[in-house]
Amino acid sequence: DVKVTQSSRYLVKRTGEKVFLECVQDMDHENMFWYRQDPGLGLRLIYFSYDVKMKEKGDIPEGYSVSREKKERFSLILESASTNQTSMYLCASSWGTGGFYEQYFGPGTRLTVT
Amino acid sequence: QQQVKQSPQSLIVQKGGISIINCAYENTAFDYFPWYQQFPGKGPALLIAIRPDVSEKKEGRFTISFNKSAKQFSLHIMDSQPGDSATYFCAASQDSSASKIIFGSGTRLSIRP
Repeated sequence: DVKVTQSSRYLVKRTGEKVFLECVQDMDHENMFWYRQDPGLGLRLIYFSYDVKMKEKGDIPEGYSVSREKKERFSLILESASTNQTSMYLCASSWGTGGFYEQYFGPGTRLTVT
Repeated sequence: QQQVKQSPQSLIVQKGGISIINCAYENTAFDYFPWYQQFPGKGPALLIAIRPDVSEKKEGRFTISFNKSAKQFSLHIMDSQPGDSATYFCAASQDSSASKIIFGSGTRLSIRP
């Protein structure tokens, strides 16, 4: 059974703080993704990675960066958190390259920036 | 071109009824159309998926209908049950797009007992 875990379920940070969201998958998947989920906007891709130390921008990368030093771990970094980054953040992983591969999601981190 | 439009935003159905969620796309290069189901407090999970070479796919009470000429597809849930209450996302992707999936805006489905 694929398991994707995220370091926190709930997080409250202040404006301007540096925020790290961690994601770990245990199925040796090549690809990992970070999405944010907002009501009425669905899931929007922030960044994805298809290999260690590789990263690609998604649809809304502004204000975010990522790090993938190990295959199983993908981190999302908010360099200077702002209130408009209050959202649910979802991490996902998939086995192969190509849109046909199922994505497995973690439970999400609800981030509030005050 | 990359957008997937989903409707309705929310839906209330009586137990035993049929739930229908609709999606439309513009990019004719899309060749894979999955639906993801998300329960409260959980991440989305793949429910059912279809490729454009078939017009319908059925798995238990869940059916995807696909209309390639209209660039539309829909999810039908027959005999809807309270346990089906969740948020549903349609999506579209291309096999050549390095695993990028475009998600719809989501439909919050509530099944009334």
